Amino acid sequence: GQQVMQIPQYQHVQEGEDFTTYCNSSTTLSNIQWYKQRPGGHPVFLIQLVKSGEVKKQKRLTFQFGEAKKNSSLHITATQTTDVGTYFCAGRGRDDKIIFGKGTRLHILP
Amino acid sequence: NAGVTQTPKFQVLKTGQSMTLQCAQDMNHEYMSWYRQDPGMGLRLIHYSVGAGITDQGEVPNGYNVSRSTTEDFPLRLLSAAPSQTSVYFCASSYSRGGDLHFGNGTRLTVT
Repeated sequence: GQQVMQIPQYQHVQEGEDFTTYCNSSTTLSNIQWYKQRPGGHPVFLIQLVKSGEVKKQKRLTFQFGEAKKNSSLHITATQTTDVGTYFCAGRGRDDKIIFGKGTRLHILP
Repeated sequence: NAGVTQTPKFQVLKTGQSMTLQCAQDMNHEYMSWYRQDPGMGLRLIHYSVGAGITDQGEVPNGYNVSRSTTEDFPLRLLSAAPSQTSVYFCASSYSRGGDLHFGNGTRLTVT
């Protein structure tokens, strides 16, 4: 079945450093979504990528979707303490299942 | 708008008991789903529905039943609770099959 792998599981960075999390699917995806979950909260939608090779930016966040529509990445430039949380990718397959990666927990060191 | 509403927020069950986790959305979303979240395991899909009267299994459906008699409601039933079902359960909905998911606040379930 469809599997979505996400690395790294944890990342500690100094405030101001960059951060990247990577997502790989075992199957070709219809789209990929990214979510952020703050400690004690629920996942909140960040963005959706649909097209092969698509790149989208939200302020300091850059999202990419691979040419084969099987991998994706989220890059944060100059991290801030407000970026703390767990970032999840979620891939939608042809059967409409939305499968989440295990997430990357980001810690910011002041 | 209330969005996605889950009840209860917390629940403690004894092994073998049954219960229903409620999920309701007021956004007229066609797509609804249930996930469980365990430490280090991310969010795992239990069941999902692409519209009223239609349900399908996700990654970890065993021990859970769902039904979708209306667009608004998507209850999750635990028939005979087991300690392995201790988890945080999230209900999520989206306007269409390709849309972004809106999550409820979660139900923290403990089975002793």
